[in-house]
Amino acid sequence: DTAVSQTPKYLVTQMGNDKSIKCEQNLGHDTMYWYKQDSKKFLKIMFSYNNKELIINETVPNRFSPKSPDKAHLNLHINSLELGDSAVYFCASRPGWGSQETQYFGPGTRLLVL
Amino acid sequence: DAKTTQPNSMESNEEEPVHLPCNHSTISGTDYIHWYRQLPSQGPEYVIHGLTSNVNNRMASLAIAEDRKSSTLILHRATLRDAAVYYCILRDLIQGAQKLVFGQGTRLTINP
Repeated sequence: DTAVSQTPKYLVTQMGNDKSIKCEQNLGHDTMYWYKQDSKKFLKIMFSYNNKELIINETVPNRFSPKSPDKAHLNLHINSLELGDSAVYFCASRPGWGSQETQYFGPGTRLLVL
Repeated sequence: DAKTTQPNSMESNEEEPVHLPCNHSTISGTDYIHWYRQLPSQGPEYVIHGLTSNVNNRMASLAIAEDRKSSTLILHRATLRDAAVYYCILRDLIQGAQKLVFGQGTRLTINP
């Protein structure tokens, strides 16, 4: 049973294209996140949603638009892909609001923009 | 964002204890100290967290200095599967939402 799943696992695309990455968690958690890990392996938070409401937006370009159709899903749509968008994108979820519970991460989506 | 400082890399032998240090001199009174690790080609995985007292769980122990400006993650008996990048993080809250700010981490190598 996969707790946090992401699709696709690998994504290779051309510059200028629009693509989406999907994330689903079956843990019943209220809060979900998107992180980006670049080529230097730094892991940075991008967005956080709590019960489908955007809570954290870390100065990410407008080309990135998260969408949460329900609290079990947080998808990431990227418009006009650029070379610098190549990275590994991780989705994560956490049980509660303002609590100390841990975050559970997905396996990552490896995006390569050519 | 609160900052942590960790050595870039450490090396140890299998079945020996490993002590991974972390400095967080700017920690505030309400900051929890979290440790996550990332195995090769996987997402980060929670290890342990604490506030003031030392903490133990099945994976590791966390020793927190009395002034809370540093902490040490202890793996009591390292195995080859413990080879990973270990991140020490000060948990921040944004409008009640937990925010983890990852640093560079410590790459732990375990020798057979």
